[in-house]
Amino acid sequence: DAGVIQSPRHEVTEMGQEVTLRCKPISGHDYLFWYRQTMMRGLELLIYFNNNVPIDDSGMPEDRFSAKMPNASFSTLKIQPSEPRDSAVYFCASSLVWGYLYEQYFGPGTRLTVT
Amino acid sequence: SQQGEEDPQALSIQEGENATMNCSYKTSINNLQWYRQNSGRGLVHLILIRSNEREKHSGRLRVTLDTSKKSSSLLITASRAADTASYFCATVDTGRRALTFGSGTRLQVQP
Repeated sequence: DAGVIQSPRHEVTEMGQEVTLRCKPISGHDYLFWYRQTMMRGLELLIYFNNNVPIDDSGMPEDRFSAKMPNASFSTLKIQPSEPRDSAVYFCASSLVWGYLYEQYFGPGTRLTVT
Repeated sequence: SQQGEEDPQALSIQEGENATMNCSYKTSINNLQWYRQNSGRGLVHLILIRSNEREKHSGRLRVTLDTSKKSSSLLITASRAADTASYFCATVDTGRRALTFGSGTRLQVQP
């Protein structure tokens, strides 16, 4: 398996623009997680899905953030409109059933810069 | 809030030396996990220790868990320059049923 795939790897956009980050989890993994990493706040869990259903989105910072998982092999994280404080590295991770009891597999991340 | 907190925040050693990192957490756990992150990369799972285990080994890694003290340690023996990375402990936030990561220890191994 190729592992968790994220795209794009780097994104530079202007404030106010819409940004869409994409993730393909490892085949067969039932859990998918979106994290954000910054120097100030460390690694934060934004939202996670189980069998394509959002389970906990309490980490999503604002209504400007939304995430979807239309099928088992694809998820998106959208920011609209983007702001400079959204600049961070966004990671997607997946894991097997009962994901939080097992290891998570991380993608390479998307480095987002909002100017 | 971050459940696990690593100590020290940064560590610099010479190749061949052992590196020890500590993690403290606040609530009851089912398991504790350690991850490594190389600069500019995603996190990679290293080892998982369950709450009923006290010590676990994997290659040059040794993890201990003391649930009475709510602490864990990661020991890397005979370190190599390639071990240079940030190391994170992660515990389960039972409220959210998801992993919560600490702030990490930045390890620098000098060749």
